[in-house]
Amino acid sequence: NAGVTQTPKFQVLKTGQSMTLQCAQDMNHEYMSWYRQDPGMGLRLIHYSVGAGITDQGEVPNGYNVSRSTTEDFPLRLLSAAPSQTSVYFCASRQPGTRGRTGEQFFGPGTRLTVL
Amino acid sequence: GENVEQHPSTLSVQEGDSAVIKCTYSDSASNYFPWYKQELGKGPQLIIDIRSNVGEKKDQRIAVTLNKTAKHFSLHITETQPEDSAVYFCAPLPPGTYKYIFGTGTRLKVLA
Repeated sequence: NAGVTQTPKFQVLKTGQSMTLQCAQDMNHEYMSWYRQDPGMGLRLIHYSVGAGITDQGEVPNGYNVSRSTTEDFPLRLLSAAPSQTSVYFCASRQPGTRGRTGEQFFGPGTRLTVL
Repeated sequence: GENVEQHPSTLSVQEGDSAVIKCTYSDSASNYFPWYKQELGKGPQLIIDIRSNVGEKKDQRIAVTLNKTAKHFSLHITETQPEDSAVYFCAPLPPGTYKYIFGTGTRLKVLA
């Protein structure tokens, strides 16, 4: 299994440009999430999905869109990039958990985005 | 919503010593308490977790203890090694939600 994969690894954008960060997982996990990580602030949840066709907002959703048309893929779209969106972005996936156990959350390697 | 604090923010220990990181949370309904390790340039990785019906859990050199009354849980690393150097995050989770709230992280340095 490749686990959770993210592309690209690095990206530089100009203010106002749009782009899509790709995320895929091959573990057949129902739940997928996008986080951003800024220095000194830990990881903050942007959007998440509990299954194909179902998405919801996290802590910091403004400026980002998501969709989930398949179980495997969960792309994150920046509509009009701003310098405040300079960050490292992580995608994660997990199963819902069974018998009172919470499924382990697996993270991708991250995308480092710089907006000039 | 959940408010999560981690202490200390940085911790330096000599190789072989123990390290303890504390996570305080506000939502008394939280019932799942994981710790993640993030190495430089990589995504976080789950290293140990505990549920609210258990007070302590150990996995070799790593342990997690939970005090539900005081609303905090701690990561204990014994016999630290240089490869334990990383940033550690807690992320308590209430039931019925998918929204992990991460602490701000603790940078652990193990000095050889």
